[in-house]
Amino acid sequence: AQTVTQSQPEMSVQEAETVTLSCTYDTSESDYYLFWYKQPPSRQMILVIRQEAYKQQNATENRFSVNFQKAAKSFSLKISDSQLGDAAMYFCAYRSHGTASKLTFGTGTRLQVTL
Amino acid sequence: EAQVTQNPRYLITVTGKKLTVTCSQNMNHEYMSWYRQDPGLGLRQIYYSMNVEVTDKGDVPEGYKVSRKEKRNFPLILESPSPNQTSLYFCASSLGVRGNQPQHFGDGTRLSIL
Repeated sequence: AQTVTQSQPEMSVQEAETVTLSCTYDTSESDYYLFWYKQPPSRQMILVIRQEAYKQQNATENRFSVNFQKAAKSFSLKISDSQLGDAAMYFCAYRSHGTASKLTFGTGTRLQVTL
Repeated sequence: EAQVTQNPRYLITVTGKKLTVTCSQNMNHEYMSWYRQDPGLGLRQIYYSMNVEVTDKGDVPEGYKVSRKEKRNFPLILESPSPNQTSLYFCASSLGVRGNQPQHFGDGTRLSIL
């Protein structure tokens, strides 16, 4: 079974600075997808970014980018120019390529953004 | 507007009183799923459905039932709720059943079982 580990329960960053959230996963599969979800205080689950394992190029969405290291099974999220609205719980998630595959989530990292 | 709608958003009830949390999506998605979120555990899948009349267990199905009679609806049923089912519940859907399809989440339902 796949597992996803987020070893940082809480992180803090100053506004306009850069922060990196860590995520590692364990799988024996070669084809899969990785996601970062943001959960603000409103509780919504918002997709931030996704990465296909067969792509070597790291995904980027505006201020959000990932560092995907397939051999190391690492998938970190970098947030540049942090804003107050980035404060949230961030979940890393894994999904197999196959049918009926569920999302396997990490335990989350709570990000605080300070002035 | 494309969305996944859950009701109710909040519910406080007592042990043993049957309840249903509804989930509806307007995107003609094939795949639907229920998750529960607990502190320190992240989100865990309860049940999922690949299409109408096709449902299967996730990681934590005990104490829950689901049905998929129509493509758009996927209700979660707690026949005899217990306090350990107090949690934040999310319904999610995706266009296809393959892993590359991102899942769209509802706004969550906070259940408290006394």
